[in-house]
Amino acid sequence: AQSVTQPDIHITVSEGASLELRCNYSYGATPYLFWYVQSPGQGLQLLLKYFSGDTLVQGIKGFEAEFKRSQSSFNLRKPSVHWSDAAEYFCAVAPDSQGNLIFGKGTKLSVKP
Amino acid sequence: EAGVVQSPRYKIIEKKQPVAFWCNPISGHNTLYWYLQNLGQGPELLIRYENEEAVDDSQLPKDRFSAERLKGVDSTLKIQPAELGDSAVYLCASSLGDPTDTQYFGPGTRLTVL
Repeated sequence: AQSVTQPDIHITVSEGASLELRCNYSYGATPYLFWYVQSPGQGLQLLLKYFSGDTLVQGIKGFEAEFKRSQSSFNLRKPSVHWSDAAEYFCAVAPDSQGNLIFGKGTKLSVKP
Repeated sequence: EAGVVQSPRYKIIEKKQPVAFWCNPISGHNTLYWYLQNLGQGPELLIRYENEEAVDDSQLPKDRFSAERLKGVDSTLKIQPAELGDSAVYLCASSLGDPTDTQYFGPGTRLTVL
């Protein structure tokens, strides 16, 4: 079945530490790939997206993600986490030309001082 | 530039009552989406509009849910009658329409059905 998997429900990192959030998808072709962040009481905000070309994508707030076709993965990374990064992160795919997004269940990030 | 506006932000109703949510998309965005987000889950698409036409409503429970987008701008999502299981956050998003375009989300309406 087509799906988006975020295997980590909750991650806690120390401020200043590096971060990697995992995302795997199961679709026949390479879909369009997105990472969104949702802070409490806020709408979802796009961090970055991948369609084609360079497999390392830079986004806002110092985030980057790498597309690995062989692993069907699109992991999100940040070299040094700030307390303000505490939020919920959603990986999403648009599996076809319709543009409808299929979201993972999200990973909640907590940041320790 | 104003973002996607939704109202109300919170709504508490008794089961079997009707409820409606309103969305005003970003100006110029012809594509509008309604998503449902249950607690601890990612958003799930309910319906997508291209201008005033509902082009994908396959996930909308049509026995109790309805939506409209008159004049291709604002949209309203209605539930009648509401059930306990409808308690969730209802998100509206808009985009220029190409699948590579960013979908911009509103803050959502949190519905509690008692």
